[in-house]
Amino acid sequence: RKEVEQDPGPFNVPEGATVAFNCTYSNSASQSFFWYRQDCRKEPKLLMSVYSSGNEDGRFTAQLNRASQYISLLIRDSKLSDSATYLCVVTSGAGSYQLTFGKGTKLSVIP
Amino acid sequence: DGGITQSPKYLFRKEGQNVTLSCEQNLNHDAMYWYRQDPGQGLRLIYYSQIVNDFQKGDIAEGYSVSREKKESFPLTVTSAQKNPTAFYLCASSPGQSYSPLHFGNGTRLTVT
Repeated sequence: RKEVEQDPGPFNVPEGATVAFNCTYSNSASQSFFWYRQDCRKEPKLLMSVYSSGNEDGRFTAQLNRASQYISLLIRDSKLSDSATYLCVVTSGAGSYQLTFGKGTKLSVIP
Repeated sequence: DGGITQSPKYLFRKEGQNVTLSCEQNLNHDAMYWYRQDPGQGLRLIYYSQIVNDFQKGDIAEGYSVSREKKESFPLTVTSAQKNPTAFYLCASSPGQSYSPLHFGNGTRLTVT
């Protein structure tokens, strides 16, 4: 099983749709989880951290399921500007250097 | 504004030449990292440094070298020993505390022919 696995997509959704991405991880000792957004040929940018109790930031909701070892990202009311690749990032130890990146899920929001 | 600056944005080199990629941060972060990204692939860690004058190999360090003489700077040299150097190189930094996310520079796209 790969350390961090994401559906590569692409997910093509109309504006206003709700879309959800899942990410599974193999290391049960993982402590921190993040979602990053990466636009084409640009650097990744932190979208949100994922907390055990779940957290929301505007149209974005992140959830963690430790028992099943996955995290999810829900985007409500999709905008054209949400089109990007979403990277799941998981730490496997106490240090930030022990981050494992998923390959990303590509989202295209269509007018 | 605080941030991480990578230069140049695009770099072209002939095979067999060493090349150095610059990374400077003014976020006062202790830890700095170099990643490589290939099309359709996840980021892979090349080297990281948690403190000045100290650095460790990541998952794919062969063919690369780094230095950390100043807190603000973490240059990466791609040597001729790196077999497939053409890639998108990303520098990142973090406060270094446990569980802190990374802040990335805007990347250097290296093409070796």
